[in-house]
Amino acid sequence: AQTVTQSQPEMSVQEAETVTLSCTYDTSESDYYLFWYKQPPSRQMILVIRQEAYKQQNATENRFSVNFQKAAKSFSLKISDSQLGDAAMYFCACLPEYGNKLVFGAGTILRVKS
Amino acid sequence: GAGVSQSPRYKVTKRGQDVALRCDPISGHVSLYWYRQALGQGPEFLTYFNYEAQQDKSGLPNDRFSAERPEGSISTLTIQRTEQRDSAMYRCASSLALGTDTQYFGPGTRLTVL
Repeated sequence: AQTVTQSQPEMSVQEAETVTLSCTYDTSESDYYLFWYKQPPSRQMILVIRQEAYKQQNATENRFSVNFQKAAKSFSLKISDSQLGDAAMYFCACLPEYGNKLVFGAGTILRVKS
Repeated sequence: GAGVSQSPRYKVTKRGQDVALRCDPISGHVSLYWYRQALGQGPEFLTYFNYEAQQDKSGLPNDRFSAERPEGSISTLTIQRTEQRDSAMYRCASSLALGTDTQYFGPGTRLTVL
């Protein structure tokens, strides 16, 4: 069984500043995939970034990057140059290599202050 | 191209009524997934299809819930004799293939059972 833990229920960041959202996971699978999804007030579910566990290089997507620490089972999301549009609930999720079920954390609400 | 679509976006029903929720995946996506999301929580897996075959329904909470995907494209999640505890956001996702491919989510159907 897999579990995903997001220990920060809420975070705040000043516009243009950098914020890091934490995520830890537990899985018995040897290979798996990790994701961050964004859920804005519209309640859409938008993919932010994806990381393959077999890759040592941290994934980046424009202002979004991850710090993937496989041994520690940690997968944090860094948002640089925060914008008002980044305000949302962020979910961390894990998918085993041969699985089909995404397992989500409880989410972190990110507030961006102008 | 077009993303995953779901209908209706909002459904209000009375306890005891049956409801059918529809999902239209991204064209060409082989795999389709259903999740349920309670307010303030992450989505939880219900069931998934590979083409028209329902390959895992372990997340369906009880036998009032069923799903089908008869032609390997559009899927319907049916809840019979709805109860107030069924109130939630029901999300559909699709992926190009089973397993490691990224799951792309639809906008969800907000179900309220009175």
